Amino acid sequence: DAKTTQPPSMDCAEGRAANLPCNHSTISGNEYVYWYRQIHSQGPQYIIHGLKNNETNEMASLIITEDRKSSTLILPHATLRDTAVYYCIVSNDYKLSFGAGTTVTVRA
Amino acid sequence: DADVTQTPRNRITKTGKRIMLECSQTKGHDRMYWYRQDPGLGLRLIYYSFDVKDINKGEISDGYSVSRQAQAKFSLSLESAIPNQTALYFCATSAASVGEPQHFGDGTRLSIL
Repeated sequence: DAKTTQPPSMDCAEGRAANLPCNHSTISGNEYVYWYRQIHSQGPQYIIHGLKNNETNEMASLIITEDRKSSTLILPHATLRDTAVYYCIVSNDYKLSFGAGTTVTVRA
Repeated sequence: DADVTQTPRNRITKTGKRIMLECSQTKGHDRMYWYRQDPGLGLRLIYYSFDVKDINKGEISDGYSVSRQAQAKFSLSLESAIPNQTALYFCATSAASVGEPQHFGDGTRLSIL
């Protein structure tokens, strides 16, 4: 059973913010939201994670709605190197379920 | 993640051969994992280890074995390789605290002829 729903693809202009949505309407109270990305068969790269509060790090910001049923990953200034498949995952233990993700293409 | 190193990066071998993939980490994490990824598919967990003496099967462990030689080292073996084990293999590590994310190596591309 898919725990998250993401759009299959999206385009973004270089230098602009990229906002990646994720729906996780069945999330449990103790499940975290994780974001990873995978660039062309490289290892998945951890981006950010959160439980209830919004989070920000050097790569991105994570906005989680108050009811926790959806979240948005924000890449503040997309570059061509941000072109990748982005995965939104919810989990409360070691099990990570990588679905199809969102293929993000950053265009010059 | 350069803190998680996998060797070899690429390997081509023949059916029936024994193969070992190695993973080492400098992150000081207790937990280590082995995944495989097939073209167009997500990652599937093969084995995981929460510490040196705690090793567990994942969802697709048949045909694989592992060894946790030290906190920093976790090896995956294919005792008798078969063509449908051709895949990308990833090692990951995480701290033991609740919610800590996994950090992945760059992978081993394994082809079995």
